[in-house]
Amino acid sequence: EIVMTQSPATLSVSPGERATLSCRASQSVSSNLAWYQQKPGQAPRLLIYGASTRATGIPARFSGSGSGTEFTLTISSLQSEDFAVYYCQQYNNWPTFGQGTKVEIK
Amino acid sequence: EVQLVETGGGLIQPGGSLRLSCAASGFTVSSNYMSWVRQAPGKGLEWVSVIYSGGSTYYADSVKGRFTISRDNSKNTLYLQMNSLRAEDTAVYYCARTQIPNWFDPWGQGTLVTVSS
Repeated sequence: EIVMTQSPATLSVSPGERATLSCRASQSVSSNLAWYQQKPGQAPRLLIYGASTRATGIPARFSGSGSGTEFTLTISSLQSEDFAVYYCQQYNNWPTFGQGTKVEIK
Repeated sequence: EVQLVETGGGLIQPGGSLRLSCAASGFTVSSNYMSWVRQAPGKGLEWVSVIYSGGSTYYADSVKGRFTISRDNSKNTLYLQMNSLRAEDTAVYYCARTQIPNWFDPWGQGTLVTVSS
């Protein structure tokens, strides 16, 4: 099983600031990585697939980068609706998720 | 509009059985890969099972031999039959259309399964 590790567990950011979330895989997953956003009481929503391709309807302030074992999700200027939990997921093998990063208001 | 609606969750005793349903609209279940993903209360996400468009099925080790994924093409509905339920199966269960190779979009709203005596 490929273990995904996200950091930090919690990120405190002020609205309008930049947020950088990290995801590390226990072995190479090439670019087979997705990012999801989950708000309380809601289902996850796909943000990024292929490590860097934004899903349909996702604002340009969300960007993904990385390959192999190190990945980053960047939110360029946090809006109020962006405060949520973010998960990375690899699909190079049977899918596994990171434990999540909570982005909270500073 | 593509939509998924799960039903069938509830409170069940350990060792019991439950069948979850996921009704799809806006696309054809049988032409897509479809998955179940679960989330224990306050925890992260865990992939459970997938059914391919060709009918092949695969399971996480944690549910293999106890859960069965299936679909009814005439009803455009995905199912998850869960047997020999354990306390650790307590979670919100989401169905999701699975984009090849294996990312999930969209997701249903989820249905809560609680295994407790």
